[in-house]
Amino acid sequence: GAVVSQHPSWVICKSGTSVKIECRSLDFQATTMFWYRQFPKQSLMLMATSNEGSKATYEQGVEKDKFLINHASLTLSTLTVTSAHPEDSSFYICSASRDRGRSNQPQHFGDGTRLSIL
Amino acid sequence: QKEVEQNSGPLSVPEGAIASLNCTYSDRGSQSFFWYRQYSGKSPELIMSIYSNGDKEDGRFTAQLNKASQYVSLLIRDSQPSDSATYLCAVTHGSSNTGKLIFGQGTTLQVKP
Repeated sequence: GAVVSQHPSWVICKSGTSVKIECRSLDFQATTMFWYRQFPKQSLMLMATSNEGSKATYEQGVEKDKFLINHASLTLSTLTVTSAHPEDSSFYICSASRDRGRSNQPQHFGDGTRLSIL
Repeated sequence: QKEVEQNSGPLSVPEGAIASLNCTYSDRGSQSFFWYRQYSGKSPELIMSIYSNGDKEDGRFTAQLNKASQYVSLLIRDSQPSDSATYLCAVTHGSSNTGKLIFGQGTTLQVKP
């Protein structure tokens, strides 16, 4: 089946640090990837849709300059949390679907990155 | 009204019983429906997808969809303690083809030995 790899799985860093998270589709090309954030005991909140070769589409309330997304190839999207602060501590999860424009394709999730900002 | 609603639970069932998880959605334009299982501290895992009215069976899992009632459910037969997790209902965002999903808040299932 489809496999999505996310790295790193766990990050602890000081306030003010920028953190980059990678999301790779391992056995298919993903023209679209999604980035979610999940706080404890809450559901997934979509942050942005990452589109290969074009700008990401951010959800309302998500700061574009804070959460930089780059989708430079068909198998890799990155999320950079810039100048992270304790309130950015969360579980960040990416997902990928096989083919943009075919909304019936399910999303497959990476293992997630647990970010803790001290 | 939330776009996708689930009872947060916990839903507690004895081992071997049938667990029934329910989900309602508000957007009549939604075309695709998914159930994900999420263990504590882990990312979601796809369990079932369903696109047309009726039932779809896969092993111990059966998904049911009723678009007229805007209702989708997941039945787990012969529940096992390993089924204990949070089950997330996800619905595509209207009739758009972006693939964007709207998630419910999830139902926590506890299967007791």
